[in-house]
Amino acid sequence: KAGVTQTPRYLIKTRGQQVTLSCSPISGHRSVSWYQQTPGQGLQFLFEYFSETQRNKGNFPGRFSGRQFSNSRSEMNVSTLELGDSALYLCASSLGRVQDNEKLFFGSGTQLSVL
Amino acid sequence: AQKITQTQPGMFVQEKEAVTLDCTYDTSDPSYGLFWYKQPSSGEMIFLIYQGSYDQQNATEGRYSLNFQKARKSANLVISASQLGDSAMYFCAMRGPSGTYKYIFGTGTRLKVLA
Repeated sequence: KAGVTQTPRYLIKTRGQQVTLSCSPISGHRSVSWYQQTPGQGLQFLFEYFSETQRNKGNFPGRFSGRQFSNSRSEMNVSTLELGDSALYLCASSLGRVQDNEKLFFGSGTQLSVL
Repeated sequence: AQKITQTQPGMFVQEKEAVTLDCTYDTSDPSYGLFWYKQPSSGEMIFLIYQGSYDQQNATEGRYSLNFQKARKSANLVISASQLGDSAMYFCAMRGPSGTYKYIFGTGTRLKVLA
């Protein structure tokens, strides 16, 4: 079974630009979550999608948005990039059950550098 | 609000020895689950072990075991017979507030296994 696939692996952008990151979950998984990881803030939850609907959203500005397609693939978009958006963006997939033992399966992440 | 605390930014351990990584948590939910993930330099977060709040026994997965002390709100990860490949960042995590689908992560512990 293929794991979670994130593309691209690395991105370099300049301030003011926008960027789109892609995530393909494990086959059969309907939930996709996105996390931002930085040395200073650690892992922070961005949002979670289930069956094309956003179920949860973290405390990030509206420049961060996402969507999920009918095949469960998800994209994350960041508009008007700022230097502080430089981070590793991790995507995680799961079955989407609201259970304590529901574990997440992560991709290798997209390393975004904003210059 | 849920919170995960990992107080050891970095740890060293000699190959073949055991090491304990600390994790304390705070939650008001009566039912919750605790996870440990490993993040090698490649970036992908790898699930290691899970402990449910109502589990009577400490969880074990191969060389990994979880020392769960509910009254102290601690869930320490024990790695036995450390290997060079265990060198990585380790994160303790739990589900967010009941009914949500976000996970909260600690700041992580960087483990270095010495030959």
